[in-house]
This record gives sequence, C-alpha cells and structure tokens, in this order.
Amino acid sequence: QVQLQQWGTRLLKPSETLSLTCAVFGGSLSDYYWSWIRQSPGKGLEWIGEINHSGSTNYNPSLKTRVTISLDTSRNQFSLKLYSVTAADTAVYFCARGGMWIQLNWFDPWGQGTLVTVSS
Amino acid sequence: DIVMTQSPDSLAVSLGERATINCKSSQSVLYSSNNKNYVAWYQQKPGQPPKLLIYWASTRESGVPDRFSGSGSGTDFTLTVSSLQAEDVAVYYCHQYYSSPNTFGQGTKLEIK
Repeated sequence: QVQLQQWGTRLLKPSETLSLTCAVFGGSLSDYYWSWIRQSPGKGLEWIGEINHSGSTNYNPSLKTRVTISLDTSRNQFSLKLYSVTAADTAVYFCARGGMWIQLNWFDPWGQGTLVTVSS
Repeated sequence: DIVMTQSPDSLAVSLGERATINCKSSQSVLYSSNNKNYVAWYQQKPGQPPKLLIYWASTRESGVPDRFSGSGSGTDFTLTVSSLQAEDVAVYYCHQYYSSPNTFGQGTKLEIK
C-alpha cells in the first residue's frame, strides 16, 4: 500500500520561498502523476500542479509564475517550491498521487499535510 | 476553470437517516468518448487529509462502506449516505478531473442532529 510522507518549511516571511518534499513509500514514482494541493480557510482546496515520472509538469495558471515541482527518482521523492510567498499562501499543503499514465484522475493517497504559515 | 458548487454548506442528520449532498459543475464533466463522468468525492475529518470515497461519479473506492453512494451525470451529482453513522461526521468535497486545472467544491459539513 502506497504511503506519502511530506515535510518542509513551516514558517516563512513574506517574499521567501516555500519548500516542501514528499516521499513515496511502498511504491514507485514510475507510471503515475504526482500532485501538490493546498487547503486554506479562504479558498478551500486548490490544486497547485503535478509532475509525472518523466518530469513533465502541469501547473495551475493561478500559480504558474511562482511554482516549480520537481522529481528525485533516486530518492523516490518529489518537491514543491513556491516563490515570493505572501500571507495569502498560508495554508495546509498536501502531496497526493494522481493517475497511472493519465493526467486527469482522482487523488489517492494523500500525504498527511503540512501547515505553512507566512507571517512577518 | 470549471466551478464546482456544493449544497448545502452544512447538513445535520439523525443517526440512521439518509444524508444527501449535491454538487453542480459549471460545465459538463461527462466525456462523450467513454461515457464517464470525471467526478470524485472525498471525506475529510479534522486534522486528516481528504480520503477518496467515490470516483467516476459512482464507483466506490475499495474498502468504503456501501452506505456511501454517488450518482449523477453531466453537471449534477449527488453523494448519498444511506444510513448515517457517528463516524461519518466530516466535511465532504466533490472534485472534477475533467479538465485542468482540477477544481473542488467548497465542502459540505455533515453533522449529527
């Protein structure tokens, strides 16, 4: 059974870079799409973007200019960087697995979530 | 972007009674080539990530109790809990994966009356 474990920076100041990593246990990065999703009281669940096993990415246009998702196949991990954060980026961030070979799919499983707070 | 609108925002139902949550998409999420509706439903309890319940609008994920069912097509979808149990108290979300970006409903909080 695949499990996702995530970690990263939890407290940031405005203009800094958010950095999170998600490790995949019990399975391989191969053949699947891997996503980052965030949840804030104001905007609910918001899909940030995804990467597939070959490193091809697709981002939400609302965040595209500030996001990079990358892959480390040797460590079976993928990562999120969100640049120039503001208080509006305060949220719980989740990693999640998407579809096998297909981009449009439900998400399962999810990581445990990381609360990231942006405050001066 | 496809907007997913859930109703109601909150719902209180007696134990053993039926709970019905609705989700409406701003455009059809039925893909004509395979006749599948690209909608999923999730359950989220406090301090936990969302848990997949239903995909393809009506296919129950393995291990999900059969009191949970999904229905609908095109733009209108429903999640039904046929006989509410105490452990079903949670927030429920619909999700469309028909087109990018993926989008979610705002959530429906289900409580015990």
